[in-house]
Amino acid sequence: DAGVIQSPRHEVTEMGQEVTLRCKPISGHDYLFWYRQTMMRGLELLIYFNNNVPIDDSGMPEDRFSAKMPNASFSTLKIQPSEPRDSAVYFCASSLREGEQFFGPGTRLTVL
Amino acid sequence: ILNVEQSPQSLHVQEGDSTNFTCSFPSSNFYALHWYRWETAKSPEALFVMTLNGDEKKKGRISATLNTKEGYSYLYIKGSQPEDSATYLCAFRGGATNKLIFGTGTLLAVQP
Repeated sequence: DAGVIQSPRHEVTEMGQEVTLRCKPISGHDYLFWYRQTMMRGLELLIYFNNNVPIDDSGMPEDRFSAKMPNASFSTLKIQPSEPRDSAVYFCASSLREGEQFFGPGTRLTVL
Repeated sequence: ILNVEQSPQSLHVQEGDSTNFTCSFPSSNFYALHWYRWETAKSPEALFVMTLNGDEKKKGRISATLNTKEGYSYLYIKGSQPEDSATYLCAFRGGATNKLIFGTGTLLAVQP
């Protein structure tokens, strides 16, 4: 298996633009997680899905952030409109049941 | 707010030294404790998932212990090598949720 796949790996955009981050979990995994990593707050969970259903979105910072999982092999995290303070590395991870989580390579987002 | 703390924040050792660091977490409503290894410019990689009080796990030169009653876990590295240089993260999982709360990590640098 190729592991968790994320795209793009790097994104540079201007304030106010819409940003969409993509994730393909490991085949057969039933949990998918979106994390954000910043110097100030470390690694924090934004939202997670179980069998494509959002379970806990309490970490989503505000209404500008939304996440979807239309099927078992694809998820998106959208920021609209983006702001400079959204600059961070965004990780997607997946797990089988409640076991160890496998992380993707991350998307480094820079909002100018 | 659940607090997961790791100490020390950073550690510099010589090749061949053995070292250990600590993860403190809430002792109530414990479900699991995860350890991850995170190399610079890569994504976190799972080391251990520990669930039972008194658990000891080992992977090569790295081992971990768990005390759920007092809320701490130790990670040990025997005979550190330069390739062990990384940030070591612990993550607490409480109750029925699959949400992980990450500590801020211990940055280990092993000098050849």
